[in-house]
Amino acid sequence: DIQMTQSPSSLSASLGDRVTITCQASQDISQSLNWYQKRPGKAPKLLIFHSSILQTGVPSRFSGSGSGTDFTLTISSLQPEDIATYYCQQSGDFPLTFGGGSKVEIK
Amino acid sequence: QVHLQESGPGLVKPSETLSLTCSVSGYSISSGHYWVWIRQSPGKGLEWIGMKYLSGNSYYNPSLKSRVTISGDSSKNQVSLRLTSVTAADTAEYFCARSQGAASLGVFDIWGQGTVAIVSA
Repeated sequence: DIQMTQSPSSLSASLGDRVTITCQASQDISQSLNWYQKRPGKAPKLLIFHSSILQTGVPSRFSGSGSGTDFTLTISSLQPEDIATYYCQQSGDFPLTFGGGSKVEIK
Repeated sequence: QVHLQESGPGLVKPSETLSLTCSVSGYSISSGHYWVWIRQSPGKGLEWIGMKYLSGNSYYNPSLKSRVTISGDSSKNQVSLRLTSVTAADTAEYFCARSQGAASLGVFDIWGQGTVAIVSA
């Protein structure tokens, strides 16, 4: 199985800050990397797919990059509604696997 | 607008079978797309269980494959998950989701809010 390692597991930032979360795959997955947002009590939400393609309706302050084994999710200016846990997921090979999550809180 | 809603018994006894239903509105499950089940155990990350195209292939996580069946009922527009011989390790919040499309099999663009299943005597 492809292991997905996210860091940090949690972070605290101020409103307006730039936030960066990284995800590392245990083997080359090209650009088959997706990011999801999970707020408490809400359905998970697809933010970015194929490493850098913004899902329709997702604010442009979210961006993704990377290929191969190293990927990044960036929030350019943290907003109150961005408080959530973020998960990366590889879709390059079965079984599909997720990272452990990165919890974003307000400082 | 496509909406997915999971439902289930809430509590299941060890060694019994867990049966969950995902009711889909705003889209016919027979029109295409894979339908997916994912779970999150307490304090742990997300685990992909499996996915099924109603008129075709299915893919399951090898760690669960011997115990899992995903099926669909197009007359009710529902997707179901059956997990046999459950143990406490199967206690989790279970989510259904839709796969984005044939070219993006492993991208899940719409999710339900989840249903909790607890395995306990």
